[in-house]
Amino acid sequence: GDSVTQMEGPVTLSEEACLTINCTYTATGYPSLFWYVQYPGEGLQLLLKATKADDKGSNKGFEATYRKETTSFHLEKGSVQVSDSAVYFCALKTQGGSEKLVFGKGTKLTVNP
Amino acid sequence: ETGVTQTPRHLVMGMTNKKSLKCEQHLGHNAMYWYKQSAKKPLELMFVYSLEERVENNSVPSRFSPECPNSSHLFLHLHTLQPEDSALYLCASSQQRYDTDTQYFGPGTRLTVL
Repeated sequence: GDSVTQMEGPVTLSEEACLTINCTYTATGYPSLFWYVQYPGEGLQLLLKATKADDKGSNKGFEATYRKETTSFHLEKGSVQVSDSAVYFCALKTQGGSEKLVFGKGTKLTVNP
Repeated sequence: ETGVTQTPRHLVMGMTNKKSLKCEQHLGHNAMYWYKQSAKKPLELMFVYSLEERVENNSVPSRFSPECPNSSHLFLHLHTLQPEDSALYLCASSQQRYDTDTQYFGPGTRLTVL
């Protein structure tokens, strides 16, 4: 079945450091790919998405590129802030049939001043 | 109040108790969802309602019983739960079923089963 694998956390960085959270997927067909963010005490929020190969999703300084050849959608940010501390979830949605979201386990990021 | 709200935010219950989780959305959406978020496991979709009709039930044990009396409210009735049911239960809504562009999540109810 469809699945998402993302790097184990927790990840701890200093402010202004570079961030990469790896995400790979297994899916039949051509999924759409997503990153969600969950700030402490809040629900998940859609951070960015990409719907086809080579698309780049971006938002709030975060970027992720849909790489079909490596079945990956790694999340990157060049300079993290304390306010980026949260849990990040990679997810996919297959087209056609049951279009529900399939999530990874989440990666907790802590950014220290 | 806007968005998706959930009550209570925290709940501790014994295995013989009966309790209910409530979710309310003020977005005019037609679809609502229950998810289970356990530590170190992927988010699990439990139930999906579209226009108050249950359209998906992902092999959830019968000790979890959903109810959707109208498009703005969703309940999860709990009875004779097990300690492994302890988790964060998230409610979400979207304009149409599986429409991720309009999907909003509530803050969740942290459930502890003793």
